[in-house]
Amino acid sequence: DAGVTQSPTHLIKTRGQQVTLRCSPISGHKSVSWYQQVLGQGPQFIFQYYEKEERGRGNFPDRFSARQFPNYSSELNVNALLLGDSALYLCASSLELTNEKLFFGSGTQLSVL
Amino acid sequence: AQSVSQHNHHVILSEAASLELGCNYSYGGTVNLFWYVQYPGQHLQLLLKYFSGDPLVKGIKGFEAEFIKSKFSFNLRKPSVQWSDTAEYFCAVNARGRRALTFGSGTRLQVQP
Repeated sequence: DAGVTQSPTHLIKTRGQQVTLRCSPISGHKSVSWYQQVLGQGPQFIFQYYEKEERGRGNFPDRFSARQFPNYSSELNVNALLLGDSALYLCASSLELTNEKLFFGSGTQLSVL
Repeated sequence: AQSVSQHNHHVILSEAASLELGCNYSYGGTVNLFWYVQYPGQHLQLLLKYFSGDPLVKGIKGFEAEFIKSKFSFNLRKPSVQWSDTAEYFCAVNARGRRALTFGSGTRLQVQP
């Protein structure tokens, strides 16, 4: 079975631009979470979606938004990019709403110049 | 707000040495506790978890962790490490009823043959 897939794997943007990151969860998983991992730090929670509804939001500005589609895939959008948004963005899926076991993708490395 | 501290940022051991990685969390309520591991070139994966019951939990590949509530700690141990244990280890906390996993900054373990 395929794991969590994320696209693209790498992305370079300039300040002020907008970016969309994509995630496909493991088949049958209804929950998708997004995390930001800055170099040298642990992942930081951004959003959790379950059954197409936002179920949790971390301490991130409104420039960050996300959505989940009927097939449970998800997109993370970041507007008005700042240099500090450079990070690895991880998507994780789970069967249900609880975080009992998260399955992570390999991430999208975003560089903002 | 919950937080997680991992005191060892980089640990170097020889094969067959014993391992203990420290993890302390800050949160007054009931928590779920996790250790995730990231092997070189691979995605984050669950090593073990504690939700309730026996505070000594066993995970994959011979790892175990002990939850000591009075010390707000959840240290990871392995009696004898192997070269294949070289990886980055993340401790994470999830307050009951909350969506976010809060991760520590990680410990890079290097096992020398």
